[in-house]
Amino acid sequence: KQEVTQIPAALSVPEGENLVLNCSFTDSAIYNLQWFRQDPGKGLTSLLLIQSSQREQTSGRLNASLDKSSGRSTLYIAASQPGDSATYLCAVAGQASGTYKYIFGTGTRLKVLA
Amino acid sequence: DTGVSQDPRHKITKRGQNVTFRCDPISEHNRLYWYRQTLGQGPEFLTYFQNEAQLEKSRLLSDRFSAERPKGSFSTLEIQRTEQGDSAMYLCASSLPPGQMNTEAFFGQGTRLTVV
Repeated sequence: KQEVTQIPAALSVPEGENLVLNCSFTDSAIYNLQWFRQDPGKGLTSLLLIQSSQREQTSGRLNASLDKSSGRSTLYIAASQPGDSATYLCAVAGQASGTYKYIFGTGTRLKVLA
Repeated sequence: DTGVSQDPRHKITKRGQNVTFRCDPISEHNRLYWYRQTLGQGPEFLTYFQNEAQLEKSRLLSDRFSAERPKGSFSTLEIQRTEQGDSAMYLCASSLPPGQMNTEAFFGQGTRLTVV
């Protein structure tokens, strides 16, 4: 059974810092991994999708890496801004049963202080 | 098409009442998912449709829950005889099938259910 863990659970940093959010998963037979952002009381906004054959993806100040063999992904946020404050969720889609449903971690709550 | 749309955004209901939520996926997406999220947790999978066929249901989906996707377009999630434990955010997502160039999952804004 796939389990996804995110560390740290919460993070508070001053504006301008570079930071790394971690995600680990127990079953390396994944189809893809996706990082999402969630603002309080809102839905999920997709940030980056990494296919299982890829090692990393970049979008603006965000860079996500994937190491399938070790069951790890990291989300790197450069030059953090107060507007980055949100919960960041990691989700992996497995290939079992053909559903490709996502299994989520519990998220990292990020607060960037001005 | 502006993305996945869910209606209503908020629903307050009395215990024992039935509620129905609607999800309109991105038009070309044939895969549709429902998830439930409680405070401080990540979303949990409830059920999955490929076109109009419901192909997987989670054990979380008790017999009070039913989902449909007639004609493979919009989907509805109905909860009968609501209980306080049903209070949560219900999220809908859609995506293209595996093998397509972009299999990114897109989520709606969710329906916040409060059972009083």
